[in-house]
Amino acid sequence: DVVLTQTPVAQPVTLGDQASISCRSSQSLVHSNGNTYLEWYLQKPGQSPQLLIYKVSNRFSGVPDRFIGSGSGSDFTLKISRVEPEDLGVYYCFQATHDPTFGGGTKLELK
Amino acid sequence: EVKLVESGGGLLKPGGSLKLSCVASGFTFSNYWMHWVRQAPGKGLEWIGEIEYDGTETNYAPSIKDRFTISRDNAKNTLYLQMSSVRSEDTATYFCTTLGVRGDYWGQGVMVTVSS
Repeated sequence: DVVLTQTPVAQPVTLGDQASISCRSSQSLVHSNGNTYLEWYLQKPGQSPQLLIYKVSNRFSGVPDRFIGSGSGSDFTLKISRVEPEDLGVYYCFQATHDPTFGGGTKLELK
Repeated sequence: EVKLVESGGGLLKPGGSLKLSCVASGFTFSNYWMHWVRQAPGKGLEWIGEIEYDGTETNYAPSIKDRFTISRDNAKNTLYLQMSSVRSEDTATYFCTTLGVRGDYWGQGVMVTVSS
């Protein structure tokens, strides 16, 4: 199993600030085809998850450009600049390079 | 409008069986791999399995392998999760989803509670 470790578990923020979430994998997420299938999802309170970022750094349709994914190999980061109220919730990284797994989640909450 | 609607959840005893359904509409169901993801109360997301477009290939997470079976009926636009030999740790909300960039569609989830 590929284990994805997210830090921090909770990220208190002030609206308008930047937030950063780390996702580290127990093994490289580079597929044999050269792609890296690392995604980021946001689950808002009481809702189903929604895709934000795919293949490390590509924003899904309709996702604002304040969401920036980066990283390579086994070390990835999601940065959210200028946090807005609708950004609050739990963020999950997810890998589909190997048998799929989710990270443990990071709760973005108000200070 | 895209919809995924899960049903079939409920309360069952350890060792019991249950079959969840997920009816899809608003997109071409047979063009998508489909997945089940679950979330225990107050916990994170857990991918539990997937099925190929025509049902010929399935993959499962170790936690449910040999106990749960995923199937689909493309004529009925329906995805299934047959759960057997359930344990208390299978208590969760179960989501069906297309999962991923080709179309990020999720159901609202259905609750399954395993308790004696």
